[in-house]
Amino acid sequence: AQKVTQAQTEISVVEKEDVTLDCVYETRDTTYYLFWYKQPPSGELVFLIRRNSFDEQNEISGRYSWNFQKSTSSFNFTITASQVVDSAVYFCARISGGSNYKLTFGKGTLLTVNP
Amino acid sequence: NAGVTQTPKFRVLKTGQSMTLLCAQDMNHEYMYWYRQDPGMGLRLIHYSVGEGTTAKGEVPDGYNVSRLKKQNFLLGLESAAPSQTSVYFCASRRDGGYHNEQFFGPGTRLTVL
Repeated sequence: AQKVTQAQTEISVVEKEDVTLDCVYETRDTTYYLFWYKQPPSGELVFLIRRNSFDEQNEISGRYSWNFQKSTSSFNFTITASQVVDSAVYFCARISGGSNYKLTFGKGTLLTVNP
Repeated sequence: NAGVTQTPKFRVLKTGQSMTLLCAQDMNHEYMYWYRQDPGMGLRLIHYSVGEGTTAKGEVPDGYNVSRLKKQNFLLGLESAAPSQTSVYFCASRRDGGYHNEQFFGPGTRLTVL
């Protein structure tokens, strides 16, 4: 199976610190999409971003930024000036056509931002 | 527009009992999915459907059955519940087979099997 690996199980930071969540994926496909989802303590899954395999431009959205590098099969997520409300489990996921468009999730990283 | 809804939100079963989880979406999406989430395991796909009347097995299908009789509904059944099926179950839908379409998730159902 083509895996998505989030090596960091848990990260704890103090408010206002920057934090980077790592994601490494495996794929044999040339066309695929990568996603990040957030799961706050309330339990719902919230879509954050998608990136296709042909677009290696980094993306910034407010305090969030994403760094996609095909050469290292990585799609890392950085939160700048973290806030307590950023505390959540973050999931990286991959989709490719060969898998009938099924999402393969990493196991998630629990981020705790302490005041 | 309610998005994806799941019924019930919580359920406690005894070993051997059966139940059906209901997922409904009002976005006219073609694809629907059932996942289970266990601590440290992320989300694992149980079954999915690429259209009304079609279903397929995912990563962990054993002990579950599904049906998609109507486009907007995707049912997940447990015929004889086991403690190993204690989990949080998420339903999701996406518009169609386009790569870029994200999945929209329901709020989850927390199931405990005693």
